[in-house]
Amino acid sequence: GENVEQHPSTLSVQEGDSAVIKCTYSDSASNYFPWYKQELGKRPQLIIDIRSNVGEKKDQRIAVTLNKTAKHFSLHITETQPEDSAVYFCAARGYGNKLVFGAGTILRVKS
Amino acid sequence: GAGVSQSPSNKVTEKGKDVELRCDPISGHTALYWYRQRLGQGLEFLIYFQGNSAPDKSGLPSDRFSAERTGESVSTLTIQRTQQEDSAVYLCASSLVGGRTDTQYFGPGTRLTVL
Repeated sequence: GENVEQHPSTLSVQEGDSAVIKCTYSDSASNYFPWYKQELGKRPQLIIDIRSNVGEKKDQRIAVTLNKTAKHFSLHITETQPEDSAVYFCAARGYGNKLVFGAGTILRVKS
Repeated sequence: GAGVSQSPSNKVTEKGKDVELRCDPISGHTALYWYRQRLGQGLEFLIYFQGNSAPDKSGLPSDRFSAERTGESVSTLTIQRTQQEDSAVYLCASSLVGGRTDTQYFGPGTRLTVL
């Protein structure tokens, strides 16, 4: 089945700097890759997603890139702000419509 | 419109008791998913319902876990003879069609504590 690995597990950046979180997946048939943000005690919220027919997608300060050949995708947050501090999860939709999640990255933005 | 709702928000139970968790998906969403999230961990898939198809139960950790869904509405996750290792947040999500590229929307979760 699908396996998703996510790095780093924790990431500290200075306010205004960029943050990059990387994920790799194993199932070459996976074609949908969402990113979720989870604040402490809250539900995961979708922040951006990408389908396998595109290589990059942007939404204001957030972008996601996908390399199907290498089977990895990345989340890029520019001009980070304290409110970006949260746990970020990548996921890949593999066999059977299931989302398989990475282990998460704790992002801390220091002001 | 209304999002995914779950009840109860918190449940404290004694080891060995049965618990039932409820999920109300977004109206019109045919796909429903249950996940478990242990403290500080990622999301672990449990079960997936899509319309009238047989559910995908491949993520259920043991036969103490079961889930039902009536049509395209409410789902209940039942844990029998609870153990301390069952303590976690149980999250429900729903999506519109359940196709390979559909967005899942999560409920607020039920925090289960087994004493």
